[in-house]
Amino acid sequence: EDQVTQSPEALRLQEGESSSLNCSYTVSGLRGLFWYRQDPGKGPEFLFTLYSAGEEKEKERLKATLTKKESFLHITAPKPEDSATYLCAVDSGGSNYKLTFGKGTLLTVNP
Amino acid sequence: NAGVTQTPKFQVLKTGQSMTLQCAQDMNHNSMYWYRQDPGMGLRLIYYSASEGTTDKGEVPNGYNVSRLNKREFSLRLESAAPSQTSVYFCASSEVDQPQHFGDGTRLSIL
Repeated sequence: EDQVTQSPEALRLQEGESSSLNCSYTVSGLRGLFWYRQDPGKGPEFLFTLYSAGEEKEKERLKATLTKKESFLHITAPKPEDSATYLCAVDSGGSNYKLTFGKGTLLTVNP
Repeated sequence: NAGVTQTPKFQVLKTGQSMTLQCAQDMNHNSMYWYRQDPGMGLRLIYYSASEGTTDKGEVPNGYNVSRLNKREFSLRLESAAPSQTSVYFCASSEVDQPQHFGDGTRLSIL
């Protein structure tokens, strides 16, 4: 059974204070790892897909990296508008693209 | 550019009542999904439809039924609502090997 564990559950940062969120996964075979951002009262918004160990993707202040056992979402010089819940999900294969989600990390960035 | 639209946004039911949650996407995606999101838990897949005319059970299908009405629309029905089905329900859609795109959810309370 696929498992996804995100840590920490909650993270509070000062504006400009860089940090990383962790997503550890156990799957039979990784087809893709996904990061989403979720704002209160909204649905998850797609950020990145990573397919193989060593891959990195960047978008503004966010950079996602992937190893064989975990993924990190690095946040550089965060701003208050980066406050959200960040979700990690894995696709372990099959033809129907089913995702297994972690519980998320609630990030709060204080001005 | 609406993406994935869910109706209603909020609903309160009494135990034993029935209702249908509606979902429509305008991205011409083949696959559609229904998830529920509960506090302290990750998104859990209820049912999915890999393509028009097909539906399959996900992780937590008990108490639910679905209908893929056409390529655009995928509905979720609660035949006899129970308090344990109080949750936020998200619909998503995707194309093969592409990220899932989510609606903004239906917040359902069952008294």
